Amino acid sequence: ETGVTQTPRHLVMGMTNKKSLKCEQHLGHNAMYWYKQSAKKPLELMFVYSLEERVENNSVPSRFSPECPNSSHLFLHLHTLQPEDSALYLCASSQDAELTDTQYFGPGTRLTVL
Amino acid sequence: AQKVTQAQTEISVVEKEDVTLDCVYETRDTTYYLFWYKQPPSGELVFLIRRNSFDEQNEISGRYSWNFQKSTSSFNFTITASQVVDSAVYFCALRNSGNTPLVFGKGTRLSVIA
Repeated sequence: ETGVTQTPRHLVMGMTNKKSLKCEQHLGHNAMYWYKQSAKKPLELMFVYSLEERVENNSVPSRFSPECPNSSHLFLHLHTLQPEDSALYLCASSQDAELTDTQYFGPGTRLTVL
Repeated sequence: AQKVTQAQTEISVVEKEDVTLDCVYETRDTTYYLFWYKQPPSGELVFLIRRNSFDEQNEISGRYSWNFQKSTSSFNFTITASQVVDSAVYFCALRNSGNTPLVFGKGTRLSVIA
């Protein structure tokens, strides 16, 4: 079974829509992450959760709202997005949020905002 | 501040050629970890290797090898006898000690032509 899964794989939404991205990890990890990958830019860390508590928020606009109901699931709620938010959104997990822990990534959700 | 530079944006090679992907990093920490990830067209980042700053031994895994040199702050990745399935974007990443995020380079797109 794939370690980290993400749904949907592709999403097209208008600027007034509300949608959610889902991530699930089957690795028994305690930390989960959201990254944004835009064209021509390095991966940007958005949020980090460790044991369901948010430990990092890298100045992400409030139109992105994460939720971590348990250590296996992570959501990214989207509302009133802008076209520049179109990107690949990657979820990752690691054993803990420590320096020594390797992050394992899901396949991503390709988001297009019209 | 930490930074990862992958100067090669795109590389094309013919199958069976060897290819080296460069990675140069900047950090003031003495304790840090370096990573390489592969991103095939499917989008998922696949973990390849993790190396800590105290271990400068080179590593070989099948056709893959890594050359870590602290003197030049480089962590280069070589694929021997490249294959079409190696075509992907390869990312080098750095994580410092403390509660710091994983910082990625911009990636190198490798195309292996049959």
